[in-house]
Amino acid sequence: NAGVTQTPKFQVLKTGQSMTLQCAQDMNHEYMSWYRQDPGMGLRLIHYSVGAGITDQGEVPNGYNVSRSTTEDFPLRLLSAAPSQTSVYFCASSIAGGYGVGNQPQHFGDGTRLSIL
Amino acid sequence: TQLLEQSPQFLSIQEGENLTVYCNSSSVFSSLQWYRQEPGEGPVLLVTVVTGGEVKKLKRLTFQFGDARKDSSLHITAAQPGDTGLYLCAGDGNQFYFGTGTSLTVIP
Repeated sequence: NAGVTQTPKFQVLKTGQSMTLQCAQDMNHEYMSWYRQDPGMGLRLIHYSVGAGITDQGEVPNGYNVSRSTTEDFPLRLLSAAPSQTSVYFCASSIAGGYGVGNQPQHFGDGTRLSIL
Repeated sequence: TQLLEQSPQFLSIQEGENLTVYCNSSSVFSSLQWYRQEPGEGPVLLVTVVTGGEVKKLKRLTFQFGDARKDSSLHITAAQPGDTGLYLCAGDGNQFYFGTGTSLTVIP
């Protein structure tokens, strides 16, 4: 029962470096999303996808890119890391998402803890 | 500005006490979910409420969705140390919005 798998679990970057956070799910879920979690702010949506080939921006998309070439994978790219992007990043998937059909549970990975110096 | 505000942000109580966590918004949501998160892990769904005024019970946890579908509450009866964790509400508008979180510590 893999569920949602995120790699790496920990990463330290220098300002200006780029990297890709990986997310894979084996539940054939159409909806996938990326959140960042910062103290006192809960989880904030970065980008989401309602299916392969379709992505959209969430609340805090600046500095991040995503793509969805397959149902299973939804990588998050930091193009030029900044200290403000130090956070814990969570990937989630669900059967469906969006207005009116969001009563399905979201399944989360265990997160990637990212520090940018 | 957070769309969903939770209160209190931190709560530390003795085992056996009761508590209520609130999740408030000025926006209407088609459904609202409550999650619990433990350190080093992702959030795990506790319940989904979809009807205004709906009340759901999960053992010692009681969840209520406001009549206007803008707010929700989580009440825990006779809290236990195993209830310790971060509680998050999440609303389904045009996308998912999570609340600011309530960190609960239950002291044995």
